[in-house]
Amino acid sequence: GESVGLHLPTLSVQEGDNSIINCAYSNSASDYFIWYKQESGKGPQFIIDIRSNMDKRQGQRVTVLLNKTVKHLSLQIAATQPGDSAVYFCAENKGAQKLVFGQGTRLTINP
Amino acid sequence: DTEVTQTPKHLVMGMTNKKSLKCEQHMGHRAMYWYKQKAKKPPELMFVYSYEKLSINESVPSRFSPECPNSSLLNLHLHALQPEDSALYLCASSQVLVGETEAFFGQGTRLTVV
Repeated sequence: GESVGLHLPTLSVQEGDNSIINCAYSNSASDYFIWYKQESGKGPQFIIDIRSNMDKRQGQRVTVLLNKTVKHLSLQIAATQPGDSAVYFCAENKGAQKLVFGQGTRLTINP
Repeated sequence: DTEVTQTPKHLVMGMTNKKSLKCEQHMGHRAMYWYKQKAKKPPELMFVYSYEKLSINESVPSRFSPECPNSSLLNLHLHALQPEDSALYLCASSQVLVGETEAFFGQGTRLTVV
């Protein structure tokens, strides 16, 4: 079957520490992945994407790593801030505008 | 303008009512989407329009009827809904490209069916 899932439903980190959110996918033919952030009461917000011909991509304070061998995706957030508290979803774009979301990880920041 | 605007933000309707959700974008995107999101769950794809034509219907019950009157607008007509249809309904838009189409989401309409 095809699915995009997450290893852990919740993650708590200390403010200032780095956060790592993981995602597993099962469709080896998938070639494009997106990380979204969803704050309470809001719609998902694009964070960063990565294509399958890459294994790493960096943005502002965020890095996405793709390991196609084990079909694993991760989002690293550097120097986590209170504003990073949210649910993070990995999503797989299957082409033809079909975007499938994983289960999500709730990130909580401890002061 | 990088916004997707959804109205209303909140809607309460009875099971015999007919209502519509509206979505608008002015980014020139030619793909528009409806997602349904239950509490503590990921968004689930319902419908996709490409170039104002319905391209994906994820086996959604006929009590949900989408409409794309032009390239900037997307509606979702609701009729005879059930309480279990209560959810956050998200609209999104994107470019129409092969394989690599990040979608921009609106803030959603919080629907309660009573």
